[in-house]
Amino acid sequence: NAGVTQTPKFQVLKTGQSMTLQCAQDMNHEYMSWYRQDPGMGLRLIHYSVGAGITDQGEVPNGYNVSRSTTEDFPLRLLSAAPSQTSVYFCASSYEGGPGHEQFFGPGTRLTVL
Amino acid sequence: GNSVTQMEGPVTLSEEAFLTINCTYTATGYPSLFWYVQYPGEGLQLLLKATKADDKGSNKGFEATYRKETTSFHLEKGSVQVSDSAVYFCALGGSNYKLTFGKGTLLTVNP
Repeated sequence: NAGVTQTPKFQVLKTGQSMTLQCAQDMNHEYMSWYRQDPGMGLRLIHYSVGAGITDQGEVPNGYNVSRSTTEDFPLRLLSAAPSQTSVYFCASSYEGGPGHEQFFGPGTRLTVL
Repeated sequence: GNSVTQMEGPVTLSEEAFLTINCTYTATGYPSLFWYVQYPGEGLQLLLKATKADDKGSNKGFEATYRKETTSFHLEKGSVQVSDSAVYFCALGGSNYKLTFGKGTLLTVNP
């Protein structure tokens, strides 16, 4: 199993550009989520999905879109990049939701918006 | 809502020293508690977890006990190694699918 994979590993954008961060998992996990990590802020939830065709907003959803057409893939779209979106982005997945279930994280995408 | 407060870093220790990283939480219901570790340049990986009060999670010499009376889940290790240098995150899993993270504690262990 490759686990959770993310591409690209690094990306530099100019303000106003759009792009898609890719996330895929091969563990047949129903639950997938996107977090951003900023210094001194921990990880904050952007969007999550509890299965194909179902998505919901997390703590900091503004400026981001998601869709979940398959169990395996959960891309994150930046519609019009802003310097405030400079961050490290992590995708995670778990077999089930609920309190006791471990989330598996991808290696991250480091995004810089100029 | 749910929240996690963990000890601010950075923490710098010498090899073989005792480690404690404090974590307290606020939650409704019966959350699960986790410690995740992030090594330099990598994603987060689960270090240990506890799903109910008085449970002790342990892994790689690290331990943490779920204390409902003090709403705490402190991470401890008796003798740290240079390879333990990383960022440690305390996290809470509530009744929905979401994890709530603390801000992270950077640990540096010097030889």
